[in-house]
Amino acid sequence: GENVEQHPSTLSVQEGDSAVIKCTYSDSASNYFPWYKQELGKRPQLIIDIRSNVGEKKDQRIAVTLNKTAKHFSLHITETQPEDSAVYFCAASDTGGFKTIFGAGTRLFVKA
Amino acid sequence: DSGVTQTPKHLITATGQRVTLRCSPRSGDLSVYWYQQSLDQGLQFLIQYYNGEERAKGNILERFSAQQFPDLHSELNLSSLELGDSALYFCASSVTTGANSPLHFGNGTRLTVT
Repeated sequence: GENVEQHPSTLSVQEGDSAVIKCTYSDSASNYFPWYKQELGKRPQLIIDIRSNVGEKKDQRIAVTLNKTAKHFSLHITETQPEDSAVYFCAASDTGGFKTIFGAGTRLFVKA
Repeated sequence: DSGVTQTPKHLITATGQRVTLRCSPRSGDLSVYWYQQSLDQGLQFLIQYYNGEERAKGNILERFSAQQFPDLHSELNLSSLELGDSALYFCASSVTTGANSPLHFGNGTRLTVT
């Protein structure tokens, strides 16, 4: 069945450094790839998304890249800040939008 | 505020019991999704409804069932509860069936089974 693998499970960086989280997906029909941030005890919230007809998208300090051939996509956070500390989830959904499947999450710690 | 309302916020019940979790999607959203998040775990997809019809099923146990009503609110019913069912249950909604449409999550219902 559909599967999304996410690495690393935990990431610790120094404030100001960059953080990269990688995901791979199995369903070749997937064409929409959102990223969600979940702070402790709160709901997941969309931070950025990318569609299959785009290779890269940037929003201030956050960027996402997509390689459809290799079936992987990545989240890049530059100039990390303590408030970036949270769990980040990648996800993939297909044309029908059914079964938006999430990766297992990456717990990011940004040390001040 | 995402516009997705989940009730109750907390629920404590005993093993063997049955509970109902309720979700009201954002105004205009036709699709509702249910996810289970156990402690320090990821988001496990349970089930999706679109405009009243079931569209996709994930790893939902037979003891669990859900439905979406004509007013688009949804309920998740959990029966014969076990200790392992203790988790945070999220409802999310989207405008369409999800293609190119992000999910908007509610604040979740924390279920504790004792």
